[in-house]
Amino acid sequence: DAGVTQSPTHLIKTRGQQVTLRCSPKSGHDTVSWYQQALGQGPQFIFQYYEEEERQRGNFPDRFSGHQFPNYSSELNVNALLLGDSALYLCASSSPRGTDTQYFGPGTRLTVL
Amino acid sequence: AQTVTQSQPEMSVQEAETVTLSCTYDTSENNYYLFWYKQPPSRQMILVIRQEAYKQQNATENRFSVNFQKAAKSFSLKISDSQLGDTAMYFCAFKYGNKLVFGAGTILRVKS
Repeated sequence: DAGVTQSPTHLIKTRGQQVTLRCSPKSGHDTVSWYQQALGQGPQFIFQYYEEEERQRGNFPDRFSGHQFPNYSSELNVNALLLGDSALYLCASSSPRGTDTQYFGPGTRLTVL
Repeated sequence: AQTVTQSQPEMSVQEAETVTLSCTYDTSENNYYLFWYKQPPSRQMILVIRQEAYKQQNATENRFSVNFQKAAKSFSLKISDSQLGDTAMYFCAFKYGNKLVFGAGTILRVKS
């Protein structure tokens, strides 16, 4: 049973650039959530996608956008990168049924120079 | 606002001993879920245990158990027979709507 996968593992960008991160959910899951984890802190919720639509959004600017595809995989896009966007970006998948526990992928480490 | 507080930034425990990590939360909800996640240096966030607020019985998963005090809004994690592989950052999380709200984490070091 494949777990949540994310790509790439690491990424280095410069200020002002744009980045796209990718996530494939755990088998049987149809909901994808994205979190940003700054060094030494707990993850912060960015947004959640279900049925190809953004269902809930956290306190992040419009520079952060996403997409969910018919196969439930998802992308996180960040435009006009800032130094403060350097973080570990975690994807979590879940099913809307049952306990709705979120299972996390290994993350993408983004460094903005 | 929903908040989660982990008051212990760092903890240490000897191998084979028991350790308890503290967590308190603030909510006006009555039905909700609480979780403990573990994040080792490999950075993969791993689910340790979950608790449904409507269940009075404390959740248990092998060496991991919780002490859930709903009235006090407390959700502590007890690790028995600590192992070197338990060394990690532990996060307490509260499910609010569709999102998880995390505490700041507790670094646990298991010493041999």
